[in-house]
Amino acid sequence: TQLLEQSPQFLSIQEGENLTVYCNSSSVFSSLQWYRQEPGEGPVLLVTVVTGGEVKKLKRLTFQFGDARKDSSLHITAAQPGDTGLYLCAGTAPDSWGKLQFGAGTQVVVTP
Amino acid sequence: NAGVTQTPKFRILKIGQSMTLQCTQDMNHNYMYWYRQDPGMGLRLIHYSVGEGTTAKGEVPDGYNVSRLKKQNFLLGLESAAPSQTSVYFCASSRGTGPSREQYFGPGTRLTVT
Repeated sequence: TQLLEQSPQFLSIQEGENLTVYCNSSSVFSSLQWYRQEPGEGPVLLVTVVTGGEVKKLKRLTFQFGDARKDSSLHITAAQPGDTGLYLCAGTAPDSWGKLQFGAGTQVVVTP
Repeated sequence: NAGVTQTPKFRILKIGQSMTLQCTQDMNHNYMYWYRQDPGMGLRLIHYSVGEGTTAKGEVPDGYNVSRLKKQNFLLGLESAAPSQTSVYFCASSRGTGPSREQYFGPGTRLTVT
């Protein structure tokens, strides 16, 4: 099992501030996905990154896949209360058939 | 589209009781998965299925069994509930495999074993 470590575990910020969540591993992944989960619901996919060094933007969210495909980051600009949730990264190992390995998650709370 | 639905939403079991969690997807997906989510541990794969009639073990399969008799349904069974199985269970489905295959999750079943 390839471990994915997320940091920080918890992040509380004011509306309008920026934040970055990290997802790190000592192993290489074929791809990395970021999901957001709200209370009482299942995770919902935000983005998939596949190529080392890839940067994807989704409105105020910027996702980056490390050059070596071992780490990823999620940056939120000018956070809003609607960004509150549990952010999960999930990787696909090169030798797996596509099974996802999840990180423990980062709980983000954005207060007005 | 309903997507992925799970029943029940909540359940309390006594130690040693058995139960079946039901999952249905209406997206004609081949792949289906059962995960459990515990605080501080993310989601861990219990069992998965790559098609009707086939199942395989995931990361934490002990104490659980699954069946996929119909493409749209994936059942998770607990034979003899233990306190360690207290968790939130999520079913998911995907169209296929490969690095870009999105998994669609159900709303979860919160199970407490006392």
